[in-house]
Amino acid sequence: EDQVTQSPEALRLQEGESSSLNCSYTVSGLRGLFWYRQDPGKGPEFLFTLYSAGEEKEKERLKATLTKKESFLHITAPKPEDSATYLCAVQPAGGSQGNLIFGKGTKLSVKP
Amino acid sequence: DTGVSQNPRHKITKRGQNVTFRCDPISEHNRLYWYRQTLGQGPEFLTYFQNEAQLEKSRLLSDRFSAERPKGSFSTLEIQRTEQGDSAMYLCASSLPRQGIEAFFGQGTRLTVV
Repeated sequence: EDQVTQSPEALRLQEGESSSLNCSYTVSGLRGLFWYRQDPGKGPEFLFTLYSAGEEKEKERLKATLTKKESFLHITAPKPEDSATYLCAVQPAGGSQGNLIFGKGTKLSVKP
Repeated sequence: DTGVSQNPRHKITKRGQNVTFRCDPISEHNRLYWYRQTLGQGPEFLTYFQNEAQLEKSRLLSDRFSAERPKGSFSTLEIQRTEQGDSAMYLCASSLPRQGIEAFFGQGTRLTVV
């Protein structure tokens, strides 16, 4: 069964304290892996798409990496405005072209 | 604003009533998706359209749920005879019709069934 597991469930950081969020996946082939940011009461906001092992994408303080079994979202010198839930999703190659499978997310809190 | 638009943002209804939500996708996107999200969970896939054709429905989409996308533009999601377990955030997303392409989400409709 296709599955996405994110860890930790929650992460508290001090401003400037770098860390990484993990997304482990089990799929029958991978069309794409996606990272989203979600603020309370709002819809997910697209961050990155990764397609193959070894690929990396960066945006401001965020960097996403991909291996054959997991992806990491590295946060460098985070600021309080980076506080949000970060969601990972995969689109399996063997399944529906419309179905993204999401993890439960990592809730990040950055204290000043 | 050229993003995905959902209306209403919030809906409170009594158990047993019918509700309808609307989604207007990004104009050049011909794929449209509906997801449901409950507290502390990631979004769960409900259904998706390519143009006006509904190509897949999740087993989560019981016979009380129906979605339409007339003329391949906006979409509606109707829930008949609402139950308390239907309380959730209903999210709409749209994308271009390519494999592995990212989907862009609207702000969602928060449904509360009392």
